[in-house]
Amino acid sequence: QITLKESGPSLVKPTETLTLTCTFSGFSLTTSGVGVGWIRQPPGKALEWLAVTHWNDANHYSPFLNNRLTITKDTSRNQVVLTMTNMDPLDTATYYCAHRRIWVGLDSWGQGILVTVSS
Amino acid sequence: DIQMTQSPSTLSTSVGDRVTITCRASQSINTWVAWYQQQAGKAPKLLIYQIANLGSGVPSRFSGSASGTEFTLTISSLQPDDSATYYCQQYSSYPWTFGQGTKVEIK
Repeated sequence: QITLKESGPSLVKPTETLTLTCTFSGFSLTTSGVGVGWIRQPPGKALEWLAVTHWNDANHYSPFLNNRLTITKDTSRNQVVLTMTNMDPLDTATYYCAHRRIWVGLDSWGQGILVTVSS
Repeated sequence: DIQMTQSPSTLSTSVGDRVTITCRASQSINTWVAWYQQQAGKAPKLLIYQIANLGSGVPSRFSGSASGTEFTLTISSLQPDDSATYYCQQYSSYPWTFGQGTKVEIK
């Protein structure tokens, strides 16, 4: 059974850097065809894809975040970390991590973590 | 970037009705479209991938189809548990993009 859980701060100040950790079980990020992605959802709004990392070290980022994102993985600890710099109140959202199978899409999601950006 | 234009934005319908939600891609995405269901206060759940393949444990009343760059999610007989917001997503090329969502309300 695949499970994922997001962790990190619930409140950050404008201009600060956000660090979120996705801790997962039930799969390995060394298995061919597997990835972990990050998606966010502002309150009452649609889903927005942010970044993804893969078993083969291929990383991809949303170009709409102006190079503010970094995704890294720790396969020994079964964790994926997303950092987002220069946080703004418009970045207030629920952040999800999700398991990706290469031909399938995002087939398992974490519960999400609400991050509020406010001074 | 590939835009996914989803319609309608809301749908108010009755238990037992047939429901159709459409997503139009701004360019070819081959078969690389997925549909997700998000119930209120919960994380999204994968319903369908590659146009018409059901996700794990998804009831057979859900189905997907395509015509060119227009993709359709159909619920054959709406159930109370289907009250949710539905999103399409293309994963043909980066950046992955989602539709704006369709909220399905039950009368």
